[in-house]
Amino acid sequence: SAVISQKPSRDICQRGTSLTIQCQVDSQVTMMFWYRQQPGQSLTLIATANQGSEATYESGFVIDKFPISRPNLTFSTLTVSNMSPEDSSIYLCSVEGTSGIGETQYFGPGTRLLVL
Amino acid sequence: GEDVEQSLFLSVREGDSSVINCTYTDSSSTYLYWYKQEPGAGLQLLTYIFSNMDMKQDQRLTVLLNKKDKHLSLRIADTQTGDSAIYFCALKGFQKLVFGTGTRLLVSP
Repeated sequence: SAVISQKPSRDICQRGTSLTIQCQVDSQVTMMFWYRQQPGQSLTLIATANQGSEATYESGFVIDKFPISRPNLTFSTLTVSNMSPEDSSIYLCSVEGTSGIGETQYFGPGTRLLVL
Repeated sequence: GEDVEQSLFLSVREGDSSVINCTYTDSSSTYLYWYKQEPGAGLQLLTYIFSNMDMKQDQRLTVLLNKKDKHLSLRIADTQTGDSAIYFCALKGFQKLVFGTGTRLLVSP
């Protein structure tokens, strides 16, 4: 399985500011994803981070609000821009890997964001 | 889009079996997964089943898939207090996972 780390693990931010979250994987992976988990809710896919091209965003998420970088096959960043209290969530990085008989998706520990 | 539903809460006593259920609407998923989320932690992949299987057993975990009824379940045998967590089922659609609403399992001594 892939080992995924995220920085920061948590942060408290003021509204109107931006935060960049980093995701590092211990092996090269093709597919990297960013999810949001709002308090008490399930996970929602924000976007797929593509290496060498723009990220692919899901309905309801836009590049201006959540710019993503993917400079290589082991690293990605997600920026939460112009934050408001509604952005308070856990943000999780995920990668797709193989585990012998099929595809599985592994998750990082998450970044807990509180916006005041 | 895909709807994936789970009951919100399950409470069991230590040593009993737990059964967490998941129902879904789209039958085209290739892989179906169970994840565990402990308080303050990320998601841990517990097990998964391929759509052409009916059952998969992995130590204390048994996954049952009823494709006709679009129903997936996770049975945890000999449930321990360390199993207390939120459990998510997830279905692999076209290039992305769709998560269930999550079931909070509480195991009491």
